[in-house]
Parts: sequence; C-alpha cells; structure tokens
Amino acid sequence: EAGVAQSPRYKIIEKRQSVAFWCNPISGHATLYWYQQILGQGPKLLIQFQNNGVVDDSQLPKDRFSAERLKGVDSTLKIQPAKLEDSAVYLCASSLDQGLLGKLFFGSGTQLSVL
Amino acid sequence: AQSVAQPEDQVNVAEGNPLTVKCTYSVSGNPYLFWYVQYPNRGLQFLLKYITGDNLVKGSYGFEAEFNKSQTSFHLKKPSALVSDSALYFCAVRDDPRDDKIIFGKGTRLHILP
Repeated sequence: EAGVAQSPRYKIIEKRQSVAFWCNPISGHATLYWYQQILGQGPKLLIQFQNNGVVDDSQLPKDRFSAERLKGVDSTLKIQPAKLEDSAVYLCASSLDQGLLGKLFFGSGTQLSVL
Repeated sequence: AQSVAQPEDQVNVAEGNPLTVKCTYSVSGNPYLFWYVQYPNRGLQFLLKYITGDNLVKGSYGFEAEFNKSQTSFHLKKPSALVSDSALYFCAVRDDPRDDKIIFGKGTRLHILP
C-alpha cells in the first residue's frame, strides 16, 4: 500500500516570497490534515478536510495561508507571503475514519526554511 | 480545550533496561489517547491507542501504555529497550465527543544507550 506522498521534500525561500506544498493521501482516505511542526514542538493542526470540505481551520493563519483539496483527493497548502516564523516542517496526514480512532498516516513532510 | 503535556524533553535509558515516557492530559469529555513515534527524516508513525476498556494497551514494536484516569496520565512503556527505539515520541489526545481534533504534545526524545 502506498503511503502519503508529499513534495517537495525541502524548500528554501526568502521572506515575503510565496510557496506551495503538495500532498497525495492514501487511496480511499477521506480525511486529510495539514500539520505544522516547528522545531522542538509537537505538530499543530492547521486544517482538516473531509473529502473536499473543510472540517476545521481554526488555527490556520488565513491572512497568509490557504489550502484546497479539489476533487477530494490531492491537496495543496500555500503560504503567501512567507514570514521567518513560518520555518517549520509541514506534515500531511490522512485517515479513513475522520481520525476518530486516532490512526493517522503521515507523509515525510516538507521542511521549509524562510530566510 | 483538550491539552497534553510531556514533561521530559529527553529520556536516556541503557539498552535492555525498562523505559517509560511520560504523558499527562486534560479533556472535558472522554479522552482518546494515542502515541506516535518519529524516526529521523520520517513521518510520524502510529504506535497505539486507548479508547476504552483495559487500562493497559499494547502496540507496535513491543510498546505498551497504561491509562490512569485518576492521575490523567498515559505513560508509554517497554520492558526492555533496544537501541533502535531511539526516536522522538509524541503523545496525543482527542476530546470525545466534543472535538474531532487530535492534539499532540511537544514530544520526548528517547535515547537508548548501547
């Protein structure tokens, strides 16, 4: 079974530039999550999709972050413009059951460095 | 809102010794509790969960965790540590049925000494 695919693996940009991350969840997983993991901290949920609808985006900085999941499969997360404090690993995860039983499958993440 | 605390940034254990990684939680409803492990340059992997039932739950790689309602704790344990267990461990919680969000702790780095 293929896992959660994310790209790119690494990205270095300057502040005020824009960046986009891509995620392909495990086939058949209706729920998709984007987490932000800052060095030394646990993953923080940015947005949760159920199919192509947003379930929770309460911690997404909507003035600069946006995410979409067209057709309920792949998803992209965009930051525009980036700030220094956005430097983090962005993790995509998917699950079968809205995560109700807690079993999320994570991708390897995209490590973003904002200079 | 639910929260989870991992009081130790790092735990050092000699190979072959038992290990414990601590976790405490706070919820308004019923706690759904989870442990994940993160190896270098890898995504988080699910280890085990407590939903209901037996307070001692068993998971992958010989790990187990004990749910203690009175102490609001969910410590991760293993009887005999392996060097390959060295990794970053995250405790997580969901506040059932109030919230679908899964909240992660800050993580504990486990270092097994050969």
